Formats: sequence, C-alpha cells, structure tokens
Amino acid sequence: GNSVTQMEGPVTLSEEAFLTINCTYTATGYPSLFWYVQYPGEGLQLLLKATKADDKGSNKGFEATYRKETTSFHLEKGSVQVSDSAVYFCALSGASGAGSYQLTFGKGTKLSVIP
Amino acid sequence: SQTIHQWPATLVQPVGSPLSLECTVEGTSNPNLYWYRQAAGRGLQLLFYSVGIGQISSEVPQNLSASRPQDRQFILSSKKLLLSDSGFYLCAWSMTGTETQYFGPGTRLLVL
Repeated sequence: GNSVTQMEGPVTLSEEAFLTINCTYTATGYPSLFWYVQYPGEGLQLLLKATKADDKGSNKGFEATYRKETTSFHLEKGSVQVSDSAVYFCALSGASGAGSYQLTFGKGTKLSVIP
Repeated sequence: SQTIHQWPATLVQPVGSPLSLECTVEGTSNPNLYWYRQAAGRGLQLLFYSVGIGQISSEVPQNLSASRPQDRQFILSSKKLLLSDSGFYLCAWSMTGTETQYFGPGTRLLVL
C-alpha cells in the first residue's frame, strides 16, 4: 500500500536559516505529491504540489521537487521567518475509484522558528 | 470562490453521549467530501469519504458513522462516544476527478 515517511520533529531554526524537511514515499503507479501546512489551531492549507516526476512545486518561498528515482519530495526554504512556524505534512494521492482520490499523509513535522 | 465550514469549532462531551459534527461546502457542486481525524501527536487518519449524496465509504471500522443528506453537506455522527474518540476532526472537499483536497478549520472534540 501507499505510505509517506517524514523526518521526525520538532525542528527548531533561527530566523533566516535554511530549511529542509525530508519526505520519502512508497506508492504504486505515479501519484501526485503534496505539502500541506497547519498553523496552530487551524485546518490544513495546501502549500504546494507536484503531479509528475521532475516537477517542482513552489509557493511562498517554499519549494519541493518530485524525485521519482529517490521516491522523495523534500521541502526547502532558503530563509525561514517566525511566521513559518507550523506543522508541515507531506502527502501523496492514490485513486480510490468513482472519480475520487485518497491522500496518504506523513505524521507531520513541527517547525519552530525563533527570532 | 469555494469555502468550507465546520461546526462546532470546539466540543466537550461525556463518554457515552451522542455526537454530530457538520461540514458544508459553498461555491461548488457535487464535490467529493472527506472526514479525517487527527489524534494528538499523530498524523491524519481518513475516516470516511463520499462521492455523492447518500454514498459513503468507510476506511476504518469504529463507532463513528457519516451521512451526506445533501450535495454539499457531510455529517459525522456517533451514538455513544468513547474516550478514544477525542481528537481534531477535519472535513475536506475536492472536485470530482481531481486530487487536491481543501480542508476546513476543524472541530476539536474532547471526550471526558
């Protein structure tokens, strides 16, 4: 079955530091890959996605590249801000029939950015 | 634009009491709808999904149930809550045939 593995957190960085959150996956076929972000007390927001190998998703300074050869989708940002403090979830999609897709999530990585 | 609502935002219920959480989507028709649970320190677990009115698929056997009485309304219910039902419940929607899901603000449930 499908699975997603994220690096264990929490991750604590100083403002303007470089961020990498590792994500690897196991899936049949060619899933789309996603990063979602959850701010404290809120639901999940789509951060970025990539639908095929070598695609790069980007948003708000975050980037992730779909690497089929290493089955990875690592999240990066060159300079984090305090406002980036949140929990980040990596996910992949799989067809579940009748025009619907299921998302399989990693366990999430909590990021804290200190001034 | 599309919006998704969930209520209540927070709920404290005694063990053995019933539960009803509601989710509604605006600005789209015939969405796929999903219920997830997020337990403390754990990832998201898909509970139910629906591709149309009255069509519910269950992913995890448990004392919860879901219903879709209208096209853009999705309800999560229980007849008798357990302590283990505590968690953060998230509703999500997607357009039919597409993969991206959009999440609501969530309901925090505490069962005492």
